[in-house]
Amino acid sequence: QVQLQESGPGLVKSSQTLSLTCTVSGDSVKSYDYYWSWIRQPPGKGLEWLGYIYASPNTYYNPSLKSRLSISVDTSKNQFSLMLTSVTAADTAVYYCARNPVGYDFYYMDVWGKGTTVTVSS
Amino acid sequence: QSALTQPRSVSGYPGQSVTISCIGTISDIGGYNFVSWYQHHPGSAPKLLIYDVTKRPSGVPGRFSGSKSGSTASLTISGLQAEDEASYFCCSYAGPDTFELFGGGTKLTVL
Repeated sequence: QVQLQESGPGLVKSSQTLSLTCTVSGDSVKSYDYYWSWIRQPPGKGLEWLGYIYASPNTYYNPSLKSRLSISVDTSKNQFSLMLTSVTAADTAVYYCARNPVGYDFYYMDVWGKGTTVTVSS
Repeated sequence: QSALTQPRSVSGYPGQSVTISCIGTISDIGGYNFVSWYQHHPGSAPKLLIYDVTKRPSGVPGRFSGSKSGSTASLTISGLQAEDEASYFCCSYAGPDTFELFGGGTKLTVL
């Protein structure tokens, strides 16, 4: 059974870089059968798609975050990661990683992690 | 591009049916048949309920169904059960520049 687990610092200072990792078990991040996604939910708000990576290094980003966001894969650790630079309080959110299966399309997430809370402090 | 519009809350009694709407535009829901729905209990991983507007993954009860008319997608939950109390999010593909848009989420209360 595939499981995804987010990890990273719960507190990041404003203007610094946020780095999160998603560890995948039960599947391979090298697989051509999946895209690997990051999504977040700010407090009291809806979900926001951040981006995904496929057969590294093919990446696709939310245009509103493209200048600050980077997603990468570490095949040796079976992980994929998110880096978000120059963070502000608006980046405070629960961050989720997820898997998008490639089939007729890949525009849905069939497995999610439980999420990790990140707070940006001043 | 703006997020998809969902009602903030809906409610129903056990055994009843409820429908949650997700309003978009021709650039997202209206332009593609790539709408998905997710159930989210606090503290748990979100769960895929519906994809490609109407398709249900194996293991998801038939009580959950999806549909679309124009730029509005809907999730219907029939035979409400207490465990259905959760938040529900819609998501749509929105083209090769925007990719994915989510709704603001709907909190379902089972009375």
